[in-house]
Amino acid sequence: KQEVTQIPAALSVPEGENLVLNCSFTDSAIYNLQWFRQDPGKGLTSLLLIQSSQREQTSGRLNASLDKSSGRSTLYIAASQPGDSATYLCAAPLNDYKLSFGAGTTVTVRA
Amino acid sequence: GAVVSQHPSWVICKSGTSVKIECRSLDFQATTMFWYRQFPKQSLMLMATSNEGSKATYEQGVEKDKFLINHASLTLSTLTVTSAHPEDSSFYICSATKSGVGTEAFFGQGTRLTVV
Repeated sequence: KQEVTQIPAALSVPEGENLVLNCSFTDSAIYNLQWFRQDPGKGLTSLLLIQSSQREQTSGRLNASLDKSSGRSTLYIAASQPGDSATYLCAAPLNDYKLSFGAGTTVTVRA
Repeated sequence: GAVVSQHPSWVICKSGTSVKIECRSLDFQATTMFWYRQFPKQSLMLMATSNEGSKATYEQGVEKDKFLINHASLTLSTLTVTSAHPEDSSFYICSATKSGVGTEAFFGQGTRLTVV
């Protein structure tokens, strides 16, 4: 069974600082890795999807890297803004389609 | 991107009654949908996998008779919480994938269920 861990559990930074969020998984036989954002009381918004054959994916200020061999992915958010405050979740499905989630990193960006 | 709509966004019901939650893929066909439960300040816990036209596959520890799942079409899956109890109060979220493994999962906005 895939186990996903996210470190740190919480992060508070001043506006403008870059954010680094870590995700590790125990089974490297993943099909992809997906990063999500969740606002309080809301569903999940997909941020980035990295296929297992890719090393990284970028969208605007977001960049996610994937190292399957070490079982790690890192989400970088450049020049953070208060609107980036949310909980960020990663998920790494195996061949059964099921998304195994980490507990998330709750980010607070202070204005 | 693809849109998954979940309804209702919140519901309050009395103990012993049943509640139905709908999950619709609005602009794509979803052969597979998933239902998750989320407790406060915790991550999502997969409850079941729903495949169109077949019985749902439940995760270990999830009561299939309490959480009835129906995936009658390629765009609609429903979760019915039967004989609800206060401990069933939670945030329920569905997701859908367009097709096959390796594709992106899209999530509904979630349903907050409160059983009183």
